[in-house]
Amino acid sequence: EVQVVEAGGGLVQPGGSLRLSCAASGFTFSNYWMSWVRQAPGKGLQWVTNIKQDGSEKYYVDSVRGRFTVSRENAKNSLYLQLESLRAEDTAIYYCARVLYWDDRDYVLDSWGQGTLVTVSS
Amino acid sequence: SYELTQPLSVSVALGQTARIICGGNNIGRKPVHWYQQKPGLAPVLVIFRDTNRPSGIPERFSGSKSTNTATLTISSAQAGDEADYYCQVWDSTTGVFGGGTKLAVL
Repeated sequence: EVQVVEAGGGLVQPGGSLRLSCAASGFTFSNYWMSWVRQAPGKGLQWVTNIKQDGSEKYYVDSVRGRFTVSRENAKNSLYLQLESLRAEDTAIYYCARVLYWDDRDYVLDSWGQGTLVTVSS
Repeated sequence: SYELTQPLSVSVALGQTARIICGGNNIGRKPVHWYQQKPGLAPVLVIFRDTNRPSGIPERFSGSKSTNTATLTISSAQAGDEADYYCQVWDSTTGVFGGGTKLAVL
């Protein structure tokens, strides 16, 4: 069974940092692109970042570029998201998702974790 | 930046057909995906690349598309279909979600 489990969320002050992790199981992690998507309380979904199988390509939404860094350790079946210079508007549930990649630059988020809540507040 | 427009809410009588519209400029040229999210739970993929259902998704769920709109159709709507539904596309390497539509089954 495909499973992704996020961890690392919590309460952090504005300007602070946090590292989220996502543990994958039930599939060959190194064969898949991966993605982070977030959802502010009571709001819709917002894509955050994608990372290629070998980490050689990374893409970010404009609002987090330069502050967030996605990475992965294929040997540990793990995905990470380093959050820095956090702002109140970064408060959200952060979901990790497996990606099915198609040759026409299409990415399908086919399996999602239950998410981890990040709260940025003083 | 590319934008997707969805109605805030759609209502359907139990057993009838619900249609959720997603509007976007020339969306017909982009593969469209649909996600279902029930309260307190993670999103679930229900339609990918316009018309395809993942395994485990009932045949009642279908997708279609025209030049500037994509449609998620839920036939014989059931109480368990009440959820938020999001359309999604990729604008080059940037993911774009619609604002979401709350489906009420009456």
